[in-house]
Amino acid sequence: QSALTQPRSVSGSPGQSVTISCTGTSGNVGGHNSVSWYQQHPGKAPKVMIYDVNQRPSGVPDRFSGSKSGNTASLTISGLQPEDEADYYCCSYAGGFNVIFGGGTKLTVL
Amino acid sequence: QIQLVQSGAEVKKAGASVKVSCKASGYNFSNYGISWVRQAPGQGLEWMGWISAYNGNTKIVQNFKGRVTVTTDTSTSTVHMELRSLRSDDTAVYYCARVDFIAALLYFDYWGQGTLVTVSS
Repeated sequence: QSALTQPRSVSGSPGQSVTISCTGTSGNVGGHNSVSWYQQHPGKAPKVMIYDVNQRPSGVPDRFSGSKSGNTASLTISGLQPEDEADYYCCSYAGGFNVIFGGGTKLTVL
Repeated sequence: QIQLVQSGAEVKKAGASVKVSCKASGYNFSNYGISWVRQAPGQGLEWMGWISAYNGNTKIVQNFKGRVTVTTDTSTSTVHMELRSLRSDDTAVYYCARVDFIAALLYFDYWGQGTLVTVSS
């Protein structure tokens, strides 16, 4: 199946908020609450920022929040900080023990 | 602390096979699964499949069926991923990542450091 659809890039200034969307289908994002978001800095392994649509693992700042409406999930980062500049990937369970990632979004902090 | 430590970088010829290992520590290995995710240079993340360390059940993405085998060695808390009939577009960093099947928490909470596999023609 095709990757979930994310914008290629988003940007914001320090202190601002940005939202990254992740659009799938009723077979993945819309039909399951196992949507997660990963942050990846260059040359590093991904790090989970949000799981189960809106749950934050311990240690992740509460500036990061997740939501879902229909077939689209969203990651919002408020109070942008320079260290938030990274690639972000959404991921969804797709039934039948399958998982699918989004194509990734490059966040630039201006 | 929980760690997933992967084997080192590999350079292979097209048509050959590669085996990447992922050694887990710091948690009860049998209570979790391990997934494999790869990332070609400059590209996004691609899920390859996963294995339950509890019962050895696997799920491999259709694209890789017939070329990928994932196995566990519970005596050493290690998961192995073998990719056969390598092609140049298999050049990528391969990551292992932990998943909690038992709690139905279908996300990847800990990741290995990645293993670069380079396929040359």
